[in-house]
Amino acid sequence: DVVMTQSPLSLSVTPGQPASISCKSSRSLLNSDGKTYFYWYLQKPGQSPQLLIYEVSSRSSGVPDRFSGSGSGTDFTLKISRVEAEDVGVYYCMQGIHLPSTFGQGTRLELK
Amino acid sequence: EVHLVESGGGLVQPGGSLRLSCAASGFSFSDYWMDWVRQAPGKGLVWVSLINTDGSDTNYADSVRGRFTISRDNTKNTMYLQMNGLRAEDTAVYYCVRNGGWSRFDFWGQGTPVTVSP
Repeated sequence: DVVMTQSPLSLSVTPGQPASISCKSSRSLLNSDGKTYFYWYLQKPGQSPQLLIYEVSSRSSGVPDRFSGSGSGTDFTLKISRVEAEDVGVYYCMQGIHLPSTFGQGTRLELK
Repeated sequence: EVHLVESGGGLVQPGGSLRLSCAASGFSFSDYWMDWVRQAPGKGLVWVSLINTDGSDTNYADSVRGRFTISRDNTKNTMYLQMNGLRAEDTAVYYCVRNGGWSRFDFWGQGTPVTVSP
């Protein structure tokens, strides 16, 4: 199975400051169609996960533009330009090109 | 608006069975692959199973293969997960998710809890 490794596992950020989460996969996520099937999800406290970013850098509907995704191959990053209170929760990366689909361990974001 | 509503979870003894259901609305159910993802208490997300649009193709995590069976009824806009031979390690919240292609899980249900305990 493809192993997804996130860092850091926890993050404490002052509102208005930036945040960054890294995710590394054990295999390339680049498909022969030229697309990279890599995603970011956010699980807010007490809620189901929600899709934030798909195919590395495309924001899902309704996701604020302070969220951005980047990377290629095996190394990916999620950046929040200015953290807000509603961004608190656990962020998961996930790959969808190799079955079984696999998630990272999760990164817990809290406010200072 | 897309809605996915899971049901059927509960408390079951080791070795027992449960059937989870996921009722879908707000989109053309028969056009989408669907998946189940689970989350053990205090733990991360784990993919469980997927099914294609007409139910002819399925796949399972190694941990559940041979014990769980995924199915769907497109006439009822409903997906199922039949869980047999349940073990303590199957204890989790089970989420029904819509697969927008290549495991893009674009909509999630609220989850149904399953507890396997004597």
